[in-house]
Amino acid sequence: GAVVSQHPSWVICKSGTSVKIECRSLDFQATTMFWYRQFPKQSLMLMATSNEGSKATYEQGVEKDKFLINHASLTLSTLTVTSAHPEDSSFYICSARDGDLGYTFGSGTRLTVV
Amino acid sequence: GESVGLHLPTLSVQEGDNSIINCAYSNSASDYFIWYKQESGKGPQFIIDIRSNMDKRQGQRVTVLLNKTVKHLSLQIAATQPGDSAVYFCAENPGGEKLTFGTGTRLTIIP
Repeated sequence: GAVVSQHPSWVICKSGTSVKIECRSLDFQATTMFWYRQFPKQSLMLMATSNEGSKATYEQGVEKDKFLINHASLTLSTLTVTSAHPEDSSFYICSARDGDLGYTFGSGTRLTVV
Repeated sequence: GESVGLHLPTLSVQEGDNSIINCAYSNSASDYFIWYKQESGKGPQFIIDIRSNMDKRQGQRVTVLLNKTVKHLSLQIAATQPGDSAVYFCAENPGGEKLTFGTGTRLTIIP
């Protein structure tokens, strides 16, 4: 079946630094990838939708200059949290879509900003 | 029984009993629905899906029911096992490629 690998699974960074999270589709080409954010005991909130080779589409209220998304190939999308602050601490999850396979989620990245 | 926590409703079920998890979706234009299971610290795992031209679909130990009239979706898990303990989310696709997730329900299995 379809597999999406997300790395790292957890990261701790200092306030003011940037963190990059990778999302790879291992056995299929993902025309579209999605990035979600999840706070404890809450649901997944879509941050942005990215299509290979084009700019990401951000949801209302999500700062595109803070959450940089790059989708350079059909198997890789990255999310960079720039100038991270403690309020950016959260669980970030990516999802990749192939039209035939539906939506496959990565295992998530726990970001803690100290 | 069922209770509403600070953010996440919870459902406690005796092991071996059937579980029913409910979801009210928001968009009448949604034509595709998915149930996901999320264990602590992990990403959502696909359980079962259903399209709007159906009102019931069955999988292994799971059944999804769709009532478009009242915009309601339910997930039934038969003979609940300890490994079923998790948070369950419904997601809807109102067209395009986005999925919108519901609030989620935490299912706890009582041994």
